[in-house]
Order: sequence, then C-alpha cells, then structure tokens
Amino acid sequence: GAVVSQHPSWVICKSGTSVKIECRSLDFQATTMFWYRQFPKQSLMLMATSNEGSKATYEQGVEKDKFLINHASLTLSTLTVTSAHPEDSSFYICSARDRGSSPYEQYFGPGTRLTVT
Amino acid sequence: AQSVTQLDSQVPVFEEAPVELRCNYSSSVSVYLFWYVQYPNQGLQLLLKYLSGSTLVKGINGFEAEFNKSQTSFHLRKPSVHISDTAEYFCAVSDRVNTGGFKTIFGAGTRLFVKA
Repeated sequence: GAVVSQHPSWVICKSGTSVKIECRSLDFQATTMFWYRQFPKQSLMLMATSNEGSKATYEQGVEKDKFLINHASLTLSTLTVTSAHPEDSSFYICSARDRGSSPYEQYFGPGTRLTVT
Repeated sequence: AQSVTQLDSQVPVFEEAPVELRCNYSSSVSVYLFWYVQYPNQGLQLLLKYLSGSTLVKGINGFEAEFNKSQTSFHLRKPSVHISDTAEYFCAVSDRVNTGGFKTIFGAGTRLFVKA
C-alpha cells in the first residue's frame, strides 16, 4: 500500500518550453502533497506544499510563477515548469501524506529527471 | 527552525562489517525522525521511523536506529552490510509549522559505499 507514482520518469525539453510532471497517489487519498528538487549529490529541497483544493504554499526563493502547482484532486498533483531553462534541469520528487495515517509520514514518488537543452 | 546534521558525507565499509551512519537534529518539544534510502535515479524509500515509544527502532533490510533525546541523535546502524546496501541515506525530521501543517527537513545525506 501507500504507492505514489510520477509521470514521466524522465523528460528532455528545449529551453523556453513548458513541461508538466504528474504525481499520483495510487491507493490512498492524499490531502497534502509535496514537491522537492534534488541536484546531483545533494539533499532534497522542499519547493512547495500543496493541499487539495487550495493554492500551494511555496518555500522562500521558489518562483511560483515559474513552478505552477495544481492539486486538483485527492490523488493528483501536477508541477508545471514554465519557460524552462537549463538551470531548471534537476531531479524532481513528489511525496504525499495519507489522510488516514500519521500526519508526520509521507510517501515518495520515484522521481522525474528533467533535462532542459 | 529544525535542522538535521548528518556528520559523514561518505562512509566506506567492507562487506559484512558493521556500520553506523550518524544523525543529529536540533531540539524541539516533540520530534518525529526518519531514515530514508535512495538508490541511483530513484525516489526515497522509508527505512524506519521514530514517532514515539521505544527508543530503539527496527526497520527494513536489517537496519535499526536509536533515538537519544539527551544527545539529540538518531544514528542508523546495521550489524553486517551487503554490497546491495550501497546507496545514499537521508536522515529527516518532521515538525509542526506555524500554519498548522507539518514540514520535513532532510539532512545532507550520507553515501554508504560497501566494498567487497
């Protein structure tokens, strides 16, 4: 149980284009989902927290107009990187909290590797 | 604000030897601690967690960790490692934030490299 999927697993896009990454909780309802960014050999940095049906809360330094987050349902959150540039290339990981379990726990997706050329 | 310090960026160890990965956190009234493992190009997998109760926590793959409140530590141990344990290990702490929700802070990670 408690499986989170991400799609796509990897994507290559041209500079200036936008790319959407999906995060789905497959067997539970996720009231809260988180988006992280991970650079090579570094830790996870929280980008934003999204609650179903409300606007995402972005961490300091994260451009909300560039990284659009939509949490339209209890099982789906999307991250859209708009007008992507090479410096946006990174590993993006989502996680989700199960509304039926401890609020301190989260389940992670397998990640999406974004390369902007 | 909470912080997590993983004292070793890399830990090389021979196969079948014991290993300890160290983690210290900043003090808080209540703290919830986690260890995750990450294999290359994959997401994070939960190894074990401490929410309350017994300070010795057993997880998957033979790992265990001990919560030490006085030393604000949550070190990860395994008595005998395998080549397949080679991976990045992250210590994390979850804490309540002002908005009423919870936020997880990750340590910088420790690269465990098991040698034959």
